[in-house]
Amino acid sequence: DAEITQSPRHKITETGRQVTLACHQTWNHNNMFWYRQDLGHGLRLIHYSYGVQDTNKGEVSDGYSVSRSNTEDLPLTLESAASSQTSVYFCASSGGPGQASYEQYFGPGTRLTVT
Amino acid sequence: GDSVTQMEGPVTLSEEAFLTINCTYTATGYPSLFWYVQYPGEGLQLLLKATKADDKGSNKGFEATYRKETTSFHLEKGSVQVSDSAVYFCALRNAGNNRKLIWGLGTSLAVNP
Repeated sequence: DAEITQSPRHKITETGRQVTLACHQTWNHNNMFWYRQDLGHGLRLIHYSYGVQDTNKGEVSDGYSVSRSNTEDLPLTLESAASSQTSVYFCASSGGPGQASYEQYFGPGTRLTVT
Repeated sequence: GDSVTQMEGPVTLSEEAFLTINCTYTATGYPSLFWYVQYPGEGLQLLLKATKADDKGSNKGFEATYRKETTSFHLEKGSVQVSDSAVYFCALRNAGNNRKLIWGLGTSLAVNP
């Protein structure tokens, strides 16, 4: 079965370190999204991609970067982790052949703690 | 810009009670509307949708009707179960940008036996 996976599921890192969160989908979806979820803020869009070599900034992109070198993967990098980036991160994808582009499929999330 | 407003939680109900979670939106044109559900420890999943005015989306006993005159898409269920305990998100897709979704802040529901 097609799926979307994230790794690691939990990560503790120190302030200033570079961290990369992985997202891999086997839906063959064109669109991929990274969100962060924080109490009182709901889901906030960090970066998104509509295809290979395409990346776009979301509403809270400062301190984060992504690259899309193939259809399946959209890794999220925190260039220099800050305590304000402690959060739960969700990857989502949408827009496969014959599928509605609005239905986003979510990964299980990565809980990141920056100490 | 486009926005979605949901009632604040948490909502706590007893099993078999009637559920309403309010959602109103602001958008230009004719957006599509969605409810997503997030069970504890999981990612979000689509619960139901409506793509035009007066459409009713339904799934797993949940219903929501797209009311353009009141710009609302309230989620209802006649008899909740403990297994419905989750966070519910209302979202919209503007017709002019149909790949991104605009999200509400989510409403937490706890159902007690």
